Amino acid sequence: TQLLEQSPQFLSIQEGENLTVYCNSSSVFSSLQWYRQEPGEGPVLLVTVVTGGEVKKLKRLTFQFGDARKDSSLHITAAQPGDTGLYLCAGGPTPAGGTSYGKLTFGQGTILTVHP
Amino acid sequence: NAGVTQTPKFQVLKTGQSMTLQCAQDMNHNSMYWYRQDPGMGLRLIYYSASEGTTDKGEVPNGYNVSRLNKREFSLRLESAAPSQTSVYFCASSEGASGNTIYFGEGSWLTVV
Repeated sequence: TQLLEQSPQFLSIQEGENLTVYCNSSSVFSSLQWYRQEPGEGPVLLVTVVTGGEVKKLKRLTFQFGDARKDSSLHITAAQPGDTGLYLCAGGPTPAGGTSYGKLTFGQGTILTVHP
Repeated sequence: NAGVTQTPKFQVLKTGQSMTLQCAQDMNHNSMYWYRQDPGMGLRLIYYSASEGTTDKGEVPNGYNVSRLNKREFSLRLESAAPSQTSVYFCASSEGASGNTIYFGEGSWLTVV
């Protein structure tokens, strides 16, 4: 069974601060996805990384996939109250094909609260 | 666009009762999934359907059955509900067998007493 350990579980910061969320596994994943979930809603995909060492940026969010494809990080610069939510990492198959049929292994999630 | 629609949104069951969670997607996606979300455990895959006419077990299938009624609809049935099945259930869909972008419904809150 593949496991993803996400840390920290809770993060409470002030507006303007920077933060990093980590996602680690002993298993290799073909792809790593990051989701954001608001209360009462389903997760929404933020980004997918597929290549070891890959870095993707989405405005103030920077996502990195480890060289060995076993870990990933999400860095938020100058956090804003609108960033508050549950952040989930999920390991899965290669988006380009394969037989895993979109089966994702999720981390436990990081609850981020950004105070004004 | 409706995307992925789940019903009901809230349900309270007594131990031993049965119920079916309904899910429909209007994106013409081939693959559909059922996940459950519990505090501190992220989401775990219950069952999935890679394409119309096929279903397969995920990580936590015990106590559940599924039906891929057609390309649009994928239902999850609890035959004899147990308190351990108290959870938030999410249906999801994606374009193809490889997953690509997975779109989630808004969730169904189920409490078994």
